[in-house]
Amino acid sequence: GNSVTQMEGPVTLSEEAFLTINCTYTATGYPSLFWYVQYPGEGLQLLLKATKADDKGSNKGFEATYRKETTSFHLEKGSVQVSDSAVYFCALSGRGGSNYKLTFGKGTLLTVNP
Amino acid sequence: NAGVTQTPKFRILKIGQSMTLQCTQDMNHNYMYWYRQDPGMGLKLIYYSVGAGITDKGEVPNGYNVSRSTTEDFPLRLELAAPSQTSVYFCASILSADSYEQYFGPGTRLTVT
Repeated sequence: GNSVTQMEGPVTLSEEAFLTINCTYTATGYPSLFWYVQYPGEGLQLLLKATKADDKGSNKGFEATYRKETTSFHLEKGSVQVSDSAVYFCALSGRGGSNYKLTFGKGTLLTVNP
Repeated sequence: NAGVTQTPKFRILKIGQSMTLQCTQDMNHNYMYWYRQDPGMGLKLIYYSVGAGITDKGEVPNGYNVSRSTTEDFPLRLELAAPSQTSVYFCASILSADSYEQYFGPGTRLTVT
């Protein structure tokens, strides 16, 4: 079955530091890949997505590239802000009939200090 | 648009009690989902629905029931609550199987003691 493995947290950074959160996946076929973000006390929000190999998703300064050869979708940001403090989830969905079902990683808590 | 709304926000149940978690979306989405989020464990799919009158089990359906009588509403029923059901519950929706973004509600924090 499908599975997602992401970097264990928590991750603590100073403002303006570089962020990488690793994510690798196991799936049959060609899944779509996502990063969701959960701010304190809220539900999840889609941060970015990539639907095919070599696609780069980007939003709010965050980027992730769909690497089929390494089955990875690492999240990066060049300069984090205190407002980026949240839990980040890597997720995938299958193609075709199961496209609508998401498989989530366990989440990585990011804390950014001023 | 309100998006996906959930009630209640918090609830404490005693072992053996029952309750219904409400979920409503006003985006005319066909697909709806219930997840539970346990600390450090990500989200697990409980049940989902692809349209009114159609529901199916996810990864962890035991101890729960759902119904989908309208497009807007997707309530989750807990019968005979157990401590293992202490969790945060999220409802989500998506327009169709070709859509990518799931829209999440704010969650219900449930404690069973």
